[in-house]
Amino acid sequence: DTGVSQDPRHKITKRGQNVTFRCDPISEHNRLYWYRQTLGQGPEFLTYFQNEAQLEKSRLLSDRFSAERPKGSFSTLEIQRTEQGDSAMYLCASSSPLQGAGQPQHFGDGTRLSIL
Amino acid sequence: AQSVTQLGSHVSVSEGALVLLRCNYSSSVPPYLFWYVQYPNQGLQLLLKYTTGATLVKGINGFEAEFKKSETSFHLTKPSAHMSDAAEYFCAVTTRGNNNDMRFGAGTRLTVKP
Repeated sequence: DTGVSQDPRHKITKRGQNVTFRCDPISEHNRLYWYRQTLGQGPEFLTYFQNEAQLEKSRLLSDRFSAERPKGSFSTLEIQRTEQGDSAMYLCASSSPLQGAGQPQHFGDGTRLSIL
Repeated sequence: AQSVTQLGSHVSVSEGALVLLRCNYSSSVPPYLFWYVQYPNQGLQLLLKYTTGATLVKGINGFEAEFKKSETSFHLTKPSAHMSDAAEYFCAVTTRGNNNDMRFGAGTRLTVKP
């Protein structure tokens, strides 16, 4: 179990640029989640995949945000035309396919995005 | 939708003292409750979870939490604080029918004084 891996750890970019983040979940986990965390707040859910299917995306923050998981393994989160307000930590989590009571989500260390 | 409220954004205790971090939940169906810890510039690490069964749940690093349905609470405790416990703690809730919709509280920053 190598844990959830996110890349890059830090991204600094100018306003208006596009950015893409990658998440590699725990290998046997079929569920993958993206969250945004701003300073002093808890994680805010963005979107969720089960295998390659994106089952929830209504809470993506705007149409500038999109996510993919083309082969049901790693996932990418893209933000187009970045704005100052996009500066935050972006967290990825994965969970087991086991059915039943509350499978916990396992988090990566996040990608910290800073918009200049 | 379900939600949690963490009472107290900052808690400070002396090393060796009792740690008590408060969490109240709101849910129209039986909840699943979690406590996570976050160290600076890291992701969240699961401390413990409650799903069904025993209401007193023991987790890692000596932490435990008790599910109290009558009080809609899931407070986190540790009998004796250690310097290494200084971190941000998050309470979270999901439900059986919507297990993938996890809602987090705003967090409580724990400071441990020597």
